[in-house]
Amino acid sequence: RKEVEQDPGPFNVPEGATVAFNCTYSNSASQSFFWYRQDCRKEPKLLMSVYSSGNEDGRFTAQLNRASQYISLLIRDSKLSDSATYLCVVNGGRGSTLGRLYFGRGTQLTVWP
Amino acid sequence: SQTIHQWPATLVQPVGSPLSLECTVEGTSNPNLYWYRQAAGRGLQLLFYSVGIGQISSEVPQNLSASRPQDRQFILSSKKLLLSDSGFYLCAWSDRTPNGYTFGSGTRLTVV
Repeated sequence: RKEVEQDPGPFNVPEGATVAFNCTYSNSASQSFFWYRQDCRKEPKLLMSVYSSGNEDGRFTAQLNRASQYISLLIRDSKLSDSATYLCVVNGGRGSTLGRLYFGRGTQLTVWP
Repeated sequence: SQTIHQWPATLVQPVGSPLSLECTVEGTSNPNLYWYRQAAGRGLQLLFYSVGIGQISSEVPQNLSASRPQDRQFILSSKKLLLSDSGFYLCAWSDRTPNGYTFGSGTRLTVV
């Protein structure tokens, strides 16, 4: 079983739409959670950390459900510039290599005009 | 502030040739360092990680090797490249927590 599972998409939405991505992780001891964004042929960049209480950064909202081992990312009022691949990232938790992060394969989003 | 440098950006190498990719980090001490590969249309595959000078752990057996000769320098090498070594190679660093990884801009390697 993979440490992090994501729906690969692709998601194709019009500008202004709301889109949600989901992710599940297998290690119940994981403590750190992130969403990364990767533009085509570029390196992944940190979009936002995910906190237990949920957190919001402008049009982006991230939520964590520890009981279900589930992470989500909601993008409101989608812009053309949101087109990218979104990677769900989880740390290894206690007993794993210090600092080790596990990346999902990513969900591809295309926002069309 | 911390920065990570990775070079070259693009590389075309013949099968059987050697490889050396270098990554350096500035503005931090004793970082965790990582080498990832991303094949076309695929996810990130961790190749090597290092928690200190001379300490290298390999995730996937292959014809690649890594070295950390200095605290903030991480090198990925191969003696003989295979066609299957083509891909997007990314170096990353993190602190001990980690508060996420920061990636270098990557090297796109094509083995011909």
